This record gives sequence, C-alpha cells and structure tokens, in this order.
Amino acid sequence: GAVVSQHPSRVICKSGTSVKIECRSLDFQATTMFWYRQFPKQSLMLMATSNEGSKATYEQGVEKDKFLINHASLTLSTLTVTSAHPEDSSFYICSALWRASGRVLSYNEQFFGPGTRLTVL
Amino acid sequence: AQSVTQLDSQVPVFEEAPVELRCNYSSSVSVYLFWYVQYPNQGLQLLLKYLSGSTLVESINGFEAEFNKSQTSFHLRKPSVHISDTAEYFCAVSEGVGGAQKLVFGQGTRLTINP
Repeated sequence: GAVVSQHPSRVICKSGTSVKIECRSLDFQATTMFWYRQFPKQSLMLMATSNEGSKATYEQGVEKDKFLINHASLTLSTLTVTSAHPEDSSFYICSALWRASGRVLSYNEQFFGPGTRLTVL
Repeated sequence: AQSVTQLDSQVPVFEEAPVELRCNYSSSVSVYLFWYVQYPNQGLQLLLKYLSGSTLVESINGFEAEFNKSQTSFHLRKPSVHISDTAEYFCAVSEGVGGAQKLVFGQGTRLTINP
C-alpha cells in the first residue's frame, strides 16, 4: 500500500522559534497533500491543502503567515510553524492524495502520515 | 457545508461483545463516507469506506458499516470485539463525484475493550 512518512515524529521547542515538519509520500507521487491539526482527545481539523507547484489553500481561521506550507516536489510537503507559542502545541498529521496514473477517478484515497507531536515550551 | 456527528465520545465494552459506533452526517450533496481508526500516538488508518453501490461495506478485520441515506447515518458495527480493537474511531465525509477531496471528521469515539 501507499506509505506516507512524517519527520520528525516528536519535537520540543522554545517559544518564539520556528519548527519545520516534513511530509513525504514514499512510493507514489502526490500532487495534493493535506495538513491537519489534532488537539488532545479531539478530532482532526483540516488546516490547509497543499498543491505541488502552487500556493497552499488555507481553511478559514488558519493563519497562513503562521503556518507556512511548501510543496516543492511531488513527494514532499513541508509545514513550518513560525514563531511558535505554547498554544501551537498539538499533533500535526499530513495526508497525501493518491491518484491512479492514467486514470480519471471520482475518488482518490488519502493516505495519512504517522503524525508529529509538537510541544512548545 | 458538511458536518459529521459521532454521538458517543466513549464506548466501553467487554471482550467478545458486539459493538456499534454511531455516526450521522449532514450534507447538501452526495457524499463519500469513511471510518478511520487511530491507535495511540499514530496516524489514521482507513478501516472502510462507502463510495457507491452496496450500502453495506466490510473491513478485513470484521467491522462493517451501513450507509443509510434516509437517516443520514453510517454506523460502524462489529459482532464480537477483541482487546486489539481498543482505539479511537473517526467517521468522516467528503463530497462525492466531482467534488473536493477534503475530509470532514467527526469528534471521534474512543472504544475501550475490557477483558
């Protein structure tokens, strides 16, 4: 099956610093990736849609200058949390959209990474 | 806009007992429906999905869910649970044919299996 990795799996940083999280599709190309945020014991909230070669599309209420997304290649999207504060502490999960090559499908499955736990002190 | 409601935040059951995790959705367009499972400190794994066709869908580990359009529900069931089924379960919806691929998740249900 399709595999998505995230790095790092866990990061602790000081308030005011920036943190970069990588999301990679290991065995397929993904023109579209998604970034989610999950607070403890809560659901996943979509933050933004990352499209290779173009600007990310952010959901309402998500600060694009705070959460910088770069989708520079077909297998890599990065999320940078700039000037992190304790309230940014959360579990960040990415997913990659798998599209069967040469076929137009009405449904394309999302494969999820294992998540990155960010703790800002 | 779409939304998903999982009525139970926690469901404790005994091992080998049946279980049902409830999910209701609202949408003005046709939808795809999903159940995902999340084990502690891990990402999500797709358990099963409804796209079209038969309203009853099954997973390889004994779970099944039935799409009920009139009741806008997609409840998850298993006739006999195991300790290993302990996890968080999320119901999700996305727009159907021709729609965006974004997933909207329910609040999650924590399934705890007691021996």
